Amino acid sequence: GQQLNQSPQSMFIQEGEDVSMNCTSSSIFNTWLWYKQEPGEGPVLLIALYKAGELTSNGRLTAQFGITRKDSFLNISASIPSDVGIYFCAGHLKGGSQGNLIFGKGTKLSVKP
Amino acid sequence: GAGVSQTPSNKVTEKGKYVELRCDPISGHTALYWYRQSLGQGPEFLIYFQGTGAADDSGLPNDRFFAVRPEGSVSTLKIQRTERGDSAVYLCASSLTGGGNTIYFGEGSWLTVV
Repeated sequence: GQQLNQSPQSMFIQEGEDVSMNCTSSSIFNTWLWYKQEPGEGPVLLIALYKAGELTSNGRLTAQFGITRKDSFLNISASIPSDVGIYFCAGHLKGGSQGNLIFGKGTKLSVKP
Repeated sequence: GAGVSQTPSNKVTEKGKYVELRCDPISGHTALYWYRQSLGQGPEFLIYFQGTGAADDSGLPNDRFFAVRPEGSVSTLKIQRTERGDSAVYLCASSLTGGGNTIYFGEGSWLTVV
């Protein structure tokens, strides 16, 4: 079964607001990745994190790899309608297969214009 | 093609039937992955190929599921004696190599077992 706890499950925000979501685990991860999925599409990689403490930005998106290697967060600043979708955290477990990416259950983001 | 291509995009089959789902990875990508995504859930790992061989098949739920990649490019996921619980989106992905490279997903094959 999945070993990542992602929250919140869903968010309804006003355009222009900032958004924050996070993932936690009782296990240690070697990588943390954040994906966005839109209806009928496969997940698309937004940000990849490879080292504990790493803070990385991609436009209005910022993500961090937690110091304990058991958590990560994603922030979206100044949200716009096209940010709508489901955001997934994912990671490779320490000691796990490099092909086995473990996903959270997703955060569904709705943005009201 | 430019991205990972999966066929069919939708498949409806009767319980007990055999199904094949095909994945055409990005040209030159040696690593190929199959995931399964149920409604309201994140993708779950099934199997990972490095070249022609299955490097990790620990995610296959039981022996009704099998996947091949005979020439190190196209892969086929095969499901025997389908059950209603097999209904899900089956996602294929590929990456340049297996270690730390960006994994690109296809749009998925939506399987419905009735």
